[in-house]
Amino acid sequence: QVQLQESGPGLVKPSETLSLTCNVSGGSISGYYWSWVRQPPGKALEWLGFVYYSGSTNYNPSLQSRLTISVDMSKNQFSLKLTSVTAADTAVYYCARDLLPHILLYTFDLWGQGKMVTVAS
Amino acid sequence: SSELTQDPAVSVALGQTVTITCQGDSLRFFSATWYQQKPGQAPVLVLYDKTNRPSGIPDRFSGSSSGDTASLTLTGAQAEDEADYYCNSRDTTNNVAIFGGGTKLTVL
Repeated sequence: QVQLQESGPGLVKPSETLSLTCNVSGGSISGYYWSWVRQPPGKALEWLGFVYYSGSTNYNPSLQSRLTISVDMSKNQFSLKLTSVTAADTAVYYCARDLLPHILLYTFDLWGQGKMVTVAS
Repeated sequence: SSELTQDPAVSVALGQTVTITCQGDSLRFFSATWYQQKPGQAPVLVLYDKTNRPSGIPDRFSGSSSGDTASLTLTGAQAEDEADYYCNSRDTTNNVAIFGGGTKLTVL
C-alpha cells in the first residue's frame, strides 16, 4: 500500500531555511494533491500548503511569503522549504495525501509518521 | 478567513455515547472531515463527507451536520477511542484547508 515518509534535518537555526522531503512509496505521486501539515508541541494541526502532481500549488496565506512546496515526479517525492524560520516554526511536520485523484477535497487519508523539527541555535 | 471551533475537552463513560462538535461558517458550504490522533501518532481519517467512514473505521463512529455545525458521534465509546479529534474543512474566502483546535476525548 502507499506509504509516506518525511525526511530532513531535525534541527534548524533561527533565520535559516527548513527543508523537508516526503517520499511516496508503494504508489505513484501522479494524479493526487499532496499537502504539508504541521503541529507545534501541544497544539492543533495547521495546514501549510499543497502541491498537485502537475506542480500547481496553494499555500496558507499566513506562510505564503516564506513557503515553497514542489514536486519531483522522477523521484516520486515532494518537498517543503520554509525560509526565515523562528522558534514559532518548531513543530512536527506531516506530509499527507488528499483522498481522491484529481479532486481537491482537503480530506487527508494518508499521512506520514511526522518529522519533529526544532528551531534553535 | 474562516475558523473552526471545537470544545477543548469532552469526556464519556465507557460504553456510553458522546458527540464532538465543530462549528464554523465554512461548514454551511463544505463538509467536515474528522481525524483521530493518539499521542505521538499521526492523525487518522475517521469520517469524511459528513458521514462516510474509511475502511477499517468502526461503525460506532458516525457523523452529521446542520447549518454551521458538524458533529462526530461515538456510540458505545471504547477505551481505545481516547484521543484528540480534529475537524477540518475548506476556507470559503481563499480556498485553503482549515483545522479546528481539536477536542481531547477522555473515556472514563
